Amino acid sequence: QKEVEQDPGPLSVPEGAIVSLNCTYSNSAFQYFMWYRQYSRKGPELLMYTYSSGNKEDGRFTAQVDKSSKYISLFIRDSQPSDSATYLCAMIVPDSWGKLQFGAGTQVVVTP
Amino acid sequence: DSGVTQTPKHLITATGQRVTLRCSPRSGDLSVYWYQQSLDQGLQFLIQYYNGEERAKGNILERFSAQQFPDLHSELNLSSLELGDSALYFCASSETQGQVSPLHFGNGTRLTVT
Repeated sequence: QKEVEQDPGPLSVPEGAIVSLNCTYSNSAFQYFMWYRQYSRKGPELLMYTYSSGNKEDGRFTAQVDKSSKYISLFIRDSQPSDSATYLCAMIVPDSWGKLQFGAGTQVVVTP
Repeated sequence: DSGVTQTPKHLITATGQRVTLRCSPRSGDLSVYWYQQSLDQGLQFLIQYYNGEERAKGNILERFSAQQFPDLHSELNLSSLELGDSALYFCASSETQGQVSPLHFGNGTRLTVT
């Protein structure tokens, strides 16, 4: 079983809808959680970065971390066709020197 | 643009050959990380350098090696290439050596081994 589980999708939504993405994990030592967006033939681009449990909002993006359930989420409000990409969750154990553990990525398609 | 530069963008080579991938980190970043992305394995951490010194190793094969130079750019050397080494290789950089600074990725080098 992988340490980080993420549904690969694809997830298709109409423009303007809320996109809901999530990851589950098994290692309770993870403390830092990130969401990256990756367009085709590009590198992962950092979207959100949170520490421990709680919510964080940045524009149309909201990240939630529930450590008790080992579950993290990313919500994209008012989705646009330009949001069509693969979204990867990533997490890290403190003092692990940048060894991010990534989910498989969820492909999101926002249709006009 | 993340500020991380990787060259070349594409590389096609034959089995048994050796290649070198190059990475220039963001200005001011001291840590460089190498990741491999394949369809079946996803993004896998290979190795990390901080200010010229190796700090952490992940699932890096013995045929692969890396180094970080005094000007902080890094090179990943892949030798005795096999078909299964075909993948996207990403470099990332961060300000510090620890987990506090998030990683910023380049656009990768696509390696095809024929």
